[in-house]
Amino acid sequence: KAGVTQTPRYLIKTRGQQVTLSCSPISGHRSVSWYQQTPGQGLQFLFEYFSETQRNKGNFPGRFSGRQFSNSRSEMNVSTLELGDSALYLCASSPKGTQGALVYGYTFGSGTRLTVV
Amino acid sequence: ILNVEQSPQSLHVQEGDSTNFTCSFPSSNFYALHWYRWETAKSPEALFVMTLNGDEKKKGRISATLNTKEGYSYLYIKGSQPEDSATYLCASWGPNYGGSQGNLIFGKGTKLSVKP
Repeated sequence: KAGVTQTPRYLIKTRGQQVTLSCSPISGHRSVSWYQQTPGQGLQFLFEYFSETQRNKGNFPGRFSGRQFSNSRSEMNVSTLELGDSALYLCASSPKGTQGALVYGYTFGSGTRLTVV
Repeated sequence: ILNVEQSPQSLHVQEGDSTNFTCSFPSSNFYALHWYRWETAKSPEALFVMTLNGDEKKKGRISATLNTKEGYSYLYIKGSQPEDSATYLCASWGPNYGGSQGNLIFGKGTKLSVKP
């Protein structure tokens, strides 16, 4: 059974550019959540999608957005990149949406390491 | 805003030592507590999901306990091995405890290094 796949693994962008990250959840998982990790910080919640709808959003500026497709694959977009956006971005999937994550836990991808220069 | 705190921040032990870490979280409106193990260059992996006060979970040499009334959980590793070296994360459900709009709030983790 394939795990959670994130692409690309590494990315270098320039300030002011935009970037799109992709996440393919485990087959059958309909919920995808995104987290950001910066040095010295824990995983910070960005947003959660379930059945193509954003169900919850963390405390991030509007430059961070996402979407989910009918096959449950999700993309995250960051516009007008800033140096502080350099981070590891993790996505996680769970069965049955939010309640599934609560009971079964998340399955994480390996992350995309974004460097903004 | 929910805060999940973990201690210690890092731990260095010798192979064979037993060790434990602490995770503290607000005890009001508790819903669930998760433990994850995150090895370098890999994905975080779920260890335990705990929901009931007094819960005790065990997986091999690793076990965890939960006290929801006082808001803490302990993770124990018996006879640490070099392959146990990883960052151990705990996460609690918030900020809308009990609702469908909640999300996991993670602590910053405890980094364990086990020397052979």
